[in-house]
Amino acid sequence: EPEVTQTPSHQVTQMGQEVILRCVPISNHLYFYWYRQILGQKVEFLVSFYNNEISEKSEIFDDQFSVERPDGSNFTLKIRSTKLEDSAMYFCASSERRNQETQYFGPGTRLLVL
Amino acid sequence: SQKIEQNSEALNIQEGKTATLTCNYTNYSPAYLQWYRQDPGRGPVFLLLIRENEKEKRKERLKVTFDTTLKQSLFHITASQPADSATYLCALDFTGGGNKLTFGTGTQLKVEL
Repeated sequence: EPEVTQTPSHQVTQMGQEVILRCVPISNHLYFYWYRQILGQKVEFLVSFYNNEISEKSEIFDDQFSVERPDGSNFTLKIRSTKLEDSAMYFCASSERRNQETQYFGPGTRLLVL
Repeated sequence: SQKIEQNSEALNIQEGKTATLTCNYTNYSPAYLQWYRQDPGRGPVFLLLIRENEKEKRKERLKVTFDTTLKQSLFHITASQPADSATYLCALDFTGGGNKLTFGTGTQLKVEL
């Protein structure tokens, strides 16, 4: 069964450093998403992406964050200058089409900012 | 503001019994509602989606109901097994555009032998 994959599974970085989290969505899906989950808290929406542009973003997704689909398979989330409070699990998701369609989540990248 | 409320207290039940989890939402009439399962340190896994014109939906031992008047969904697992132990998340798209899921805090279910 096709699935969303994410790399790395764990990332440790120093505050102020840039990190890039990578995702390979399910191949025939057209809509891509990033969510995060701070330890012990709920899953929070960050951004959705379609047709090479951002469809929607949350207040969390400020100028420090960016997303890109650099080729036909990868979908990346970049955090330019990490802060301690960026420590969380980051989940990528994809869906075949929007509205009334399930989002399929990857296993997540655990980011720890020291 | 729009909210999703799930019982934050863990639910402990005996194997073989039916588990019932509740999701309440406010200030919105969603076109659909979804339930996901999340195991520790893993991503949410889709279980069921129910639309506003569906009162009930079933998949194997799972059943979801959707009462748009009460603004409530109930999620049932019948003949529960220890392998059903996980956190169950309710999710809604308050924007209606299908782009942005808002999740509840989840209810942790523990099925004991």
